Amino acid sequence: QLQLQESGPGLVKPSETLSLTCTVSGLSISSSSYHWAWIRQPPGKGLEWIGSISSSGITSYTPSLRSRVTISADTSKNQFSLKLSSVTAADTALYYCARRQQLGVDYWGQGTLVRVSS
Amino acid sequence: QTVVTQEPSLTVSPGGTVTLTCASSTGPVTGGHQPNWFQQKPGQPPRTLIYSTNNRHSWTPARFSGSLLGGKAALTLSSVQPEDEAEYCCLLNFGGTLVFGGGTKLTVL
Repeated sequence: QLQLQESGPGLVKPSETLSLTCTVSGLSISSSSYHWAWIRQPPGKGLEWIGSISSSGITSYTPSLRSRVTISADTSKNQFSLKLSSVTAADTALYYCARRQQLGVDYWGQGTLVRVSS
Repeated sequence: QTVVTQEPSLTVSPGGTVTLTCASSTGPVTGGHQPNWFQQKPGQPPRTLIYSTNNRHSWTPARFSGSLLGGKAALTLSSVQPEDEAEYCCLLNFGGTLVFGGGTKLTVL
């Protein structure tokens, strides 16, 4: 059974870098045909695609966040990570990791809330 | 900036049928946009219902179906159950750039 679990600080100061990790169990993130994605949801609002990394390490980011986002993978730990720099209060959200296969997103983590506040 | 638009809210009676739609600011939605549909209940992560227009996941009840309708992606719920009350969101793929719709709050009343 595939499971994804987000982890990281729940509070980040403005202008600093938000860092989250998603630990995957039940499947190697190196398995071909899958991408590993980050998605966020501000409180009371809709979902926003952040970006993804393929099994071969190719990244793709949503244009509005591209200048501040880095997604990377550590295959030895079966984890992938999100870094979002220069955060502001607008980056306060529930952050989800998810698996994307060729035709869409199927498995999601439970999500982790990150607040940006001094 | 590509915008994906959904009805903000809809109401349906138990046992009834309702169709939710997902439109693109760039033009008609096609199968090439690989429409995905998700259900989200309060305090829970999204659950994927439909991928690539009309394919159900193994856990998706048969009363949920996806299609293309009048230039939009559509999600139809038949024989609606009280537990179907939730937020429903679509996701479209624009050549590798993925964009979510704003979501539809479905009330079963």
